[in-house]
Amino acid sequence: EDKVVQSPLSLVVHEGDTVTLNCSYEVTNFRSLLWYKQEKKAPTFLFMLTSSGIEKKSGRLSSILDKKELFSILNITATQTGDSAVYLCAVDRNFNKFYFGSGTKLNVKP
Amino acid sequence: DARVTQTPRDKVTEMGQEVTMRCQPILGHNTVFWYRQTMMQGLELLAYFRNRAPLDDSGMPKDRFSAEMPDATLATLKIQPSEPRDSAVYFCASGLVLNPDSSYEQYFGPGTRLTVT
Repeated sequence: EDKVVQSPLSLVVHEGDTVTLNCSYEVTNFRSLLWYKQEKKAPTFLFMLTSSGIEKKSGRLSSILDKKELFSILNITATQTGDSAVYLCAVDRNFNKFYFGSGTKLNVKP
Repeated sequence: DARVTQTPRDKVTEMGQEVTMRCQPILGHNTVFWYRQTMMQGLELLAYFRNRAPLDDSGMPKDRFSAEMPDATLATLKIQPSEPRDSAVYFCASGLVLNPDSSYEQYFGPGTRLTVT
């Protein structure tokens, strides 16, 4: 059965800390892994990863994929209160069927 | 600023009533998804369309849910009859698939919060 598992389920840090969020997957016909940030409303797209070992960066956020070990990490450096959100990982498999993990709830305290 | 729009944003209805949710995908996008999000189940894929044709609706309870794309600018999700367990946030997302063998980004609408009493 295809699955996407995120850890930790929740995390509380202080501003300025660095956090690492994990996403492991077991899916057939893997195409890509996507990260989303969900605040109070709809998920917003962060990254799409298709190749192993190539880091994607956007400001203080970065992500990398390991297709051999079947996981991805999302790093956030110098966290800010505005980073507080649920971070979702999704895997695109054959026929573009996306499977989402349950998310990691990040709370950044001032 | 292209974005996916959904209506209504909030819907409260009584058990047994019909509910119709609408989605306008980003202009030019050829793939549309319907998701349901609850605290217990997270984000679940209900159905999706490519070029208006349904590709997969295996995540949808067939006896009461139906999804259609009457035209390229409108997708609908209907529940008849609605039940309290259908209470959730329903998201529509769209994307542009240029090559069926490659992946792509999905863009989510703001969601419809459905409460069935």
